[in-house]
Amino acid sequence: AQSVAQPEDQVNVAEGNPLTVKCTYSVSGNPYLFWYVQYPNRGLQFLLKYITGDNLVKGSYGFEAEFNKSQTSFHLKKPSALVSDSALYFCAVRDFPYNTDKLIFGTGTRLQVFP
Amino acid sequence: NAGVTQTPKFQVLKTGQSMTLQCAQDMNHEYMSWYRQDPGMGLRLIHYSVGAGITDQGEVPNGYNVSRSTTEDFPLRLLSAAPSQTSVYFCASSYAGTRHEQYFGPGTRLTVT
Repeated sequence: AQSVAQPEDQVNVAEGNPLTVKCTYSVSGNPYLFWYVQYPNRGLQFLLKYITGDNLVKGSYGFEAEFNKSQTSFHLKKPSALVSDSALYFCAVRDFPYNTDKLIFGTGTRLQVFP
Repeated sequence: NAGVTQTPKFQVLKTGQSMTLQCAQDMNHEYMSWYRQDPGMGLRLIHYSVGAGITDQGEVPNGYNVSRSTTEDFPLRLLSAAPSQTSVYFCASSYAGTRHEQYFGPGTRLTVT
């Protein structure tokens, strides 16, 4: 069965420092991977996705993610964190077979950026 | 575009009561889905629809009913509310096709006492 794991419940980083939020996946076939962000009392917002092509994917708000097939990872990164990046981040993978549109979500990682 | 809208934002029910959570989208998306979000469990799929007249069960469908009579609307019905259904509920929509991202509504916070 398809699955994603976010091994850290919370990540703390100082403003201006680089940040990484980790995600690993387990899928049959080629993975379709997504990152979403949830601000307090809001719905999820799409950040970026990997379908095929370049392993480094750029998304909204200066975020990027690196797809690593050998390590089955899709870590979210940002070179310089902002306090306003503090939120809950979800990694998701498309369910297999790909004739459905179902997404499987990780449990989420809370990012806290300190001034 | 209003995007994905959900009503109500908050709801308190007593055990055994029924209610309908409303979801609408104005982006002409074929695919719509309902998730529940519980602490430490991420989002879990309740029901989904690939088009008007077509619905299917997700990971946690028990106690919920859906219908899709139009492309725009996808209501979620709680048949007989239980405390275990206390959660935040999100509706999402997307174009059909597995490469497309989903757009989420603002959520409904439901408490069952």
